[in-house]
Amino acid sequence: DAGVIQSPRHEVTEMGQEVTLRCKPISGHNSLFWYRQTMMRGLELLIYFNNNVPIDDSGMPEDRFSAKMPNASFSTLKIQPSEPRDSAVYFCASSSGGVPGELFFGEGSRLTVL
Amino acid sequence: SQKIEQNSEALNIQEGKTATLTCNYTNYSPAYLQWYRQDPGRGPVFLLLIRENEKEKRKERLKVTFDTTLKQSLFHITASQPADSATYLCALPSGGSYIPTFGRGTSLIVHP
Repeated sequence: DAGVIQSPRHEVTEMGQEVTLRCKPISGHNSLFWYRQTMMRGLELLIYFNNNVPIDDSGMPEDRFSAKMPNASFSTLKIQPSEPRDSAVYFCASSSGGVPGELFFGEGSRLTVL
Repeated sequence: SQKIEQNSEALNIQEGKTATLTCNYTNYSPAYLQWYRQDPGRGPVFLLLIRENEKEKRKERLKVTFDTTLKQSLFHITASQPADSATYLCALPSGGSYIPTFGRGTSLIVHP
């Protein structure tokens, strides 16, 4: 299996622009997570999907952030409008469910907002 | 919710020695605790899981202990190698959810 695939790997944009990050989870995994990692705050959970349904979005910073999972093989995280403080590495992870589950992470999308 | 504490200072050791990393938590004992490895520019990779009713877990050169009295997990790498140099993150469920919350991680540097 190719593992969790994220795109783009790097994104540089200007403040106010829309950013869309994409994730393809491992086939057969029914849980998907979006995390954000910064030096200041470490790795923070943004949102969690189970069977394509958002279960916990309490970590989403504000209304500028939205996430969707239209099917079992694809998820997006959108930031509109982007701000410099959104600069971070965004990770997508998937797991096969069960409690507890080992998370399989993608390589991350490094976002820089100027 | 849980506060997870890992030493923010890098741990420097010589090749061949045992590295010991610490993860402390502040509130209730979690049902499990996980350890991940993260290399620069990469995503975290799962290493080991230990459940609350287990005292110790081993995998090759890795050993994890879980002391619910001390609210602490220790992660050991025996016969350390320069290739073990990375940041090690502990993760445990927090806030009534089973979803892992991560510590900030400790950087390990193994010198040849």
